[in-house]
Amino acid sequence: EVQLLESGGGLVQPGGSLRLSCAASGFTFSSYAMSWVRQAPGKGLEWVSILSGIGGTTFYADSVKGRFTISRDNSKNTLFLQMNSLGVDDTAVYYCAKNPGYSTSRGYFEYWGQGALVTVSS
Amino acid sequence: EIVLTQSPGTLSLSPGERATLSCRASQSVNSSYLAWYQQKPGQAPRLLIYAASNRATGIPDRFSGSGSGTDFTLTISRLEPEDFAVYSCQQYGSSPLTFGGGTKVEI
Repeated sequence: EVQLLESGGGLVQPGGSLRLSCAASGFTFSSYAMSWVRQAPGKGLEWVSILSGIGGTTFYADSVKGRFTISRDNSKNTLFLQMNSLGVDDTAVYYCAKNPGYSTSRGYFEYWGQGALVTVSS
Repeated sequence: EIVLTQSPGTLSLSPGERATLSCRASQSVNSSYLAWYQQKPGQAPRLLIYAASNRATGIPDRFSGSGSGTDFTLTISRLEPEDFAVYSCQQYGSSPLTFGGGTKVEI
């Protein structure tokens, strides 16, 4: 059974940083691209970033490019999202999601974690 | 960027009725790379349909997807009580990946 468990969310001041983690199990982690998708309170879904299986290819939404970094540790079956220069517009539930293939070209989301709430506020 | 517009915003139906949800893209979606998700309050989204018309694993056959180019449809043939939720479409044919704003199916 595929399981994705996010951690690291919380309250952070504007301009601050936070690192989210996503522990994966139930599949061969290194064989699949992984993504982050967020959802602001009461709003729709917004794709944030995607990373290929070995980690050589990454893409970011324009809204986070240059501030967020996606990475993975395949030896620990863990996906990360380093978030810097956070603003109030980054307040959202952040979901870790598994893509169906190794590359970033199959960019839909087969399985989702339960989400981690990030609140940016002074 | 491909903008996805979903309609209607809210669909009020009864169990047993048919639901037809629309997702219109601002430009053609490559290779019909369009997915549909269901989300209930307080829960993560669940994949229903990928590549416009392929049901994901474990999804009941009352859910079906169709369409190509710029016009896509999700149909729920007979609503079950557990189907009342928000449905979102997503295109993955070009970067950035984008979602529609969602359609709420309510009783």
